[in-house]
Order: sequence, then C-alpha cells, then structure tokens
Amino acid sequence: DAKTTQPNSMESNEEEPVHLPCNHSTISGTDYIHWYRQLPSQGPEYVIHGLTSNVNNRMASLAIAEDRKSSTLILHRATLRDAAVYYCILSWGSGGGADGLTFGKGTHLIIQP
Amino acid sequence: DAGVIQSPRHEVTEMGQEVTLRCKPISGHDYLFWYRQTMMRGLELLIYFNNNVPIDDSGMPEDRFSAKMPNASFSTLKIQPSEPRDSAVYFCASSLDRGRRNTIYFGEGSWLTVV
Repeated sequence: DAKTTQPNSMESNEEEPVHLPCNHSTISGTDYIHWYRQLPSQGPEYVIHGLTSNVNNRMASLAIAEDRKSSTLILHRATLRDAAVYYCILSWGSGGGADGLTFGKGTHLIIQP
Repeated sequence: DAGVIQSPRHEVTEMGQEVTLRCKPISGHDYLFWYRQTMMRGLELLIYFNNNVPIDDSGMPEDRFSAKMPNASFSTLKIQPSEPRDSAVYFCASSLDRGRRNTIYFGEGSWLTVV
C-alpha cells in the first residue's frame, strides 16, 4: 500500500509562508495526492489535490516533485486560523477497501502570532 | 447547501447501552463513509457505502458495530452493547466518488463517551 510520511509538527509565524512536506516514495502512477486539514474540534476538510502538475486554489498551492515521490503544500500567508493538523493522503488504489483513503498522523501546524 | 449532518453531536452513555449515531449525507453524493477518530489510532475508516450498499466493512472493529443505509439520505452506525473503549469521535462523510477525484466532505462528528 502506498503510504505517506510527514513531520509530526511544524511551527511558523503568522503572515509568513508555510511549506508542509510529504514523502510518498511508493506512489503508483494513478494515485492522486490529496491534502486535508483538521481544525480543532472539527471534521477534516479538503484543501487541495493533484496528480502530476502543480495546483493552486484559494486556500493553498500544491507543488509535486517531478518523480512524484514527494509533494509540498504551500500556505502563502499563514494566519492563526491555519493552525491545524494537515494530512497528506494518496487516493484510492486499485485494491480499494479500507486502505483506500487512509489518514496517517499528519503534521500538526502551529502558528505563532 | 447544507453539509454532512450528524447527530447527536455529543453523547454520554453507560457501558452496555445501545448507541445509535445518525448521518445525513450531502444530497446527490453516491458514497458515504463512517470514520472513527481516537488519540491512539487516529482516523480510521470503518465502513463505506456506494448507492446505499455497503461495499467494505473490513474496518468495523467487531460484531458490536453495525451500519445501515436505508436510503440515499440517511445512514446509521449502531454500537450494541457499547464499551468504554468505544469512546471516540465518529465522523460521517460523503463524496461523489471514492475520493479519488472529488472532495470528501466530513460532518462535524459525534463525540461519544462510554462510561
């Protein structure tokens, strides 16, 4: 099963950019890379996803390495509201089932005012 | 549009009692997922449905847990009898597909405490 590796925690200052790394060296050619985040006492929420090319939306940017073995979620200007656990997830593989959308431990992002 | 709606938001129950958690997915979504979150195990997928049919329940911890989806707008997760180790946050989520290309939308969770 394709898995992801993320740092347990990261700290950044408010109004500065944040780069959250994710390694997924066993990614398959058809796996999408998804990022979700979970704010305190809330359910996870979608942030962004991509396959091969870099992606931008109003929340963040996703930079995908050329070999697709790693990716980086970029928050361009962090606010206190961005303090959350960020999950990097690979999409449903061919096997599906309970391994399909697997949440790891994620990265706990701390934003300092 | 309303998101995924779960009830109850909080429940405290005594060991041995039956617990029923409810979920209303986003209208038009074909997939419904039940997750459980604890500090020790993180977020775990328990079961998911496609068009009201259970597709994979291999994440359900044991026979005390059961889930149903009688129609496209309602699902239940039942624990009978409940045990203290079932204390967790239970999330319901829905999506247009299995989450591959489309967003999975989560509810706010049902916080269960079994004493």
